[in-house]
Amino acid sequence: NAGVTQTPKFQVLKTGQSMTLQCAQDMNHEYMSWYRQDPGMGLRLIHYSVGAGITDQGEVPNGYNVSRSTTEDFPLRLLSAAPSQTSVYFCASSYSPGERTDTQYFGPGTRLTVL
Amino acid sequence: ILNVEQSPQSLHVQEGDSTNFTCSFPSSNFYALHWYRWETAKSPKALFVMTLNGDEKKKGRISATLNTKEGYSYLYIKGSQPEDSATYLCAFANTGNQFYFGTGTSLTVIP
Repeated sequence: NAGVTQTPKFQVLKTGQSMTLQCAQDMNHEYMSWYRQDPGMGLRLIHYSVGAGITDQGEVPNGYNVSRSTTEDFPLRLLSAAPSQTSVYFCASSYSPGERTDTQYFGPGTRLTVL
Repeated sequence: ILNVEQSPQSLHVQEGDSTNFTCSFPSSNFYALHWYRWETAKSPKALFVMTLNGDEKKKGRISATLNTKEGYSYLYIKGSQPEDSATYLCAFANTGNQFYFGTGTSLTVIP
C-alpha cells in the first residue's frame, strides 16, 4: 500500500494562476479531506468528501474547489491563486465517513507559495 | 468555528523527565477526540482515538485520558526520550463530519 500520496511536493505560483493539487489513496477509504496548515494555526479543514460524488465544505473553503469522481482520488483546485493561499496542504483519508472514531491517514503534504 | 486549544504551546524537557499536556474542546456534541504525533518534515500519525468519558489509552510510555463533561484530554509521556520530540496534535470530532484541530504542543526532549 502506498497509503495517501500527494503531488506535487512543492509548487510556486503567481497570483491569478490556477492549479490542481493531487491526492490519491489506495486503501479504499470513503472519507477524504483537505487541510491547510499555517504558522500559529491548527490544521484547518478546507473541503471533505464522504464518498465518490459527494463533497462538502469545511471551515475555510473559499478559493478552492474539489470533486470526487472516484473513491481513490480527491483533487483540490485553486482557480485563481492568491498570496493568502500560501500554505502547506495536507490530504487525509479514513475508512468510514460516518465513523469519526476512524483514524485519519495523512499524505506527506504540498508546500505552496503564491507570489 | 469551534475552538480547540492545546497547552502549553511548546515544552522543553530533559531526557528521562515525565511530562503532560492538555487539549481543551467544546463539551457539547462530543463524538471523538484524536491524538496525533507529528514529526518535523513528516505527516501526522495517529496515536489514540478516544470516545467515552473516562477513557484511558496507553501505548508504551505514552498515555491519554479523556473528560468529555468538562471538555479536556491529557496526554502523558513517561520517561521522555529524544525520539519523543515532535508536535502532538489533538483533533475534536463532533456530531458532524468534520474534525477540528488544535495548534499542537511542540515537545523537545534534551539528551
